[in-house]
Amino acid sequence: NAGVMQNPRHLVRRRGQEARLRCSPMKGHSHVYWYRQLPEEGLKFMVYLQKENIIDESGMPKERFSAEFPKEGPSILRIQQVVRGDSAAYFCASSPQGYEQYFGPGTRLTVT
Amino acid sequence: AQKITQTQPGMFVQEKEAVTLDCTYDTSDQSYGLFWYKQPSSGEMIFLIYQGSYDEQNATEGRYSLNFQKARKSANLVISASQLGDSAMYFCAMRGDDGGSQGNLIFGKGTKLSVKP
Repeated sequence: NAGVMQNPRHLVRRRGQEARLRCSPMKGHSHVYWYRQLPEEGLKFMVYLQKENIIDESGMPKERFSAEFPKEGPSILRIQQVVRGDSAAYFCASSPQGYEQYFGPGTRLTVT
Repeated sequence: AQKITQTQPGMFVQEKEAVTLDCTYDTSDQSYGLFWYKQPSSGEMIFLIYQGSYDEQNATEGRYSLNFQKARKSANLVISASQLGDSAMYFCAMRGDDGGSQGNLIFGKGTKLSVKP
């Protein structure tokens, strides 16, 4: 059973471009959480999704950030018009029932 | 509001000795879970150990044990017989399980452990 997959592992974007981060949960997992880790910080919750539904987006910045988890395919975290402050590691975690969470390897976003 | 506090930014330990990483938490939930994760320099988050708030015994997983003191709201991680490969960042995290919680984890700022040969 493959683990949580995230791609790309590293992403470089210029200011103003869009960043798309993908997360494929473990097989059979229908719950996905996205977290952001700024340098020298712990992970901070962003959004919680189940298939086709956003359950909790209380940690998402109000503008430029969006997330989806379609019926088919990976969960996508989308950041429009990136700024330098968006540079961080973005982790997703999947869960079969919303309790134990298994983390992916993360995507390291660098905005130049 | 839920909060995790890790007061040790960095720790050193001699190889083969035991080390305790501190974690205190704050929550109004009656039911909750406490987690420890290891993040090596490669960056992935590795689950180490879990303690439920109603578990009467301290959790253990190999060389890892969790010293759970509910009245003091502390959940310290003890690593026995440290190895060089234990050098990493260690994060304490909490999940509230009462009604209204969506299951997301709250993380502390982490402790950087360095194991000396």
